[in-house]
Amino acid sequence: DTEVTQTPKHLVMGMTNKKSLKCEQHMGHRAMYWYKQKAKKPPELMFVYSYEKLSINESVPSRFSPECPNSSLLNLHLHALQPEDSALYLCASSQRTSGTARATYEQYFGPGTRLTVT
Amino acid sequence: AQTVTQSQPEMSVQEAETVTLSCTYDTSESDYYLFWYKQPPSRQMILVIRQEAYKQQNATENRFSVNFQKAAKSFSLKISDSQLGDAAMYFCAYSSYNTDKLIFGTGTRLQVFP
Repeated sequence: DTEVTQTPKHLVMGMTNKKSLKCEQHMGHRAMYWYKQKAKKPPELMFVYSYEKLSINESVPSRFSPECPNSSLLNLHLHALQPEDSALYLCASSQRTSGTARATYEQYFGPGTRLTVT
Repeated sequence: AQTVTQSQPEMSVQEAETVTLSCTYDTSESDYYLFWYKQPPSRQMILVIRQEAYKQQNATENRFSVNFQKAAKSFSLKISDSQLGDAAMYFCAYSSYNTDKLIFGTGTRLQVFP
């Protein structure tokens, strides 16, 4: 099963709202990612969790707050967003191995959450 | 820093014909991975094919194959027997060995005409 699920599919929120995006995978992957994608652009990396610890934060504004409650779940908490934050938010996961074993870290993506900030 | 360039913003192909999408990259590393991802209008990014830089043999997945030229830093995708379902945005991506970061190109929109 190479499936990453994301909820909700669509989200409309006001600038004063607090909402959360959810991502789930059951492939035993130990790395999970959040990307932001604007129309007709490639995805931009936001955060990476490796073994449930935040390993990369690409200087994302604090109004985006990631959380990894366990190895299968990844959340993105949203607060006081701006209209320019409207985008498709993609979650991905990849297999991670410890030590020096070679692995191909292809990432498997979810279907995304289309976020509109009004 | 590594960069990925896709110089063809749009391409079109007739159904059942063959099309090649171009990708070049810049890196000083010798060990890395290259990927092609497809993003149809349904918006889910789907891995099409991957290539390990240490392998000389070009990767193939059914109708999809790559032409990997390491010295030229070129990684093109060939789609044979094109189908209507191949219509999508195609992204070329680079990843260093043992890293969590994918570096994407700007994408090529492929249209398939019946």
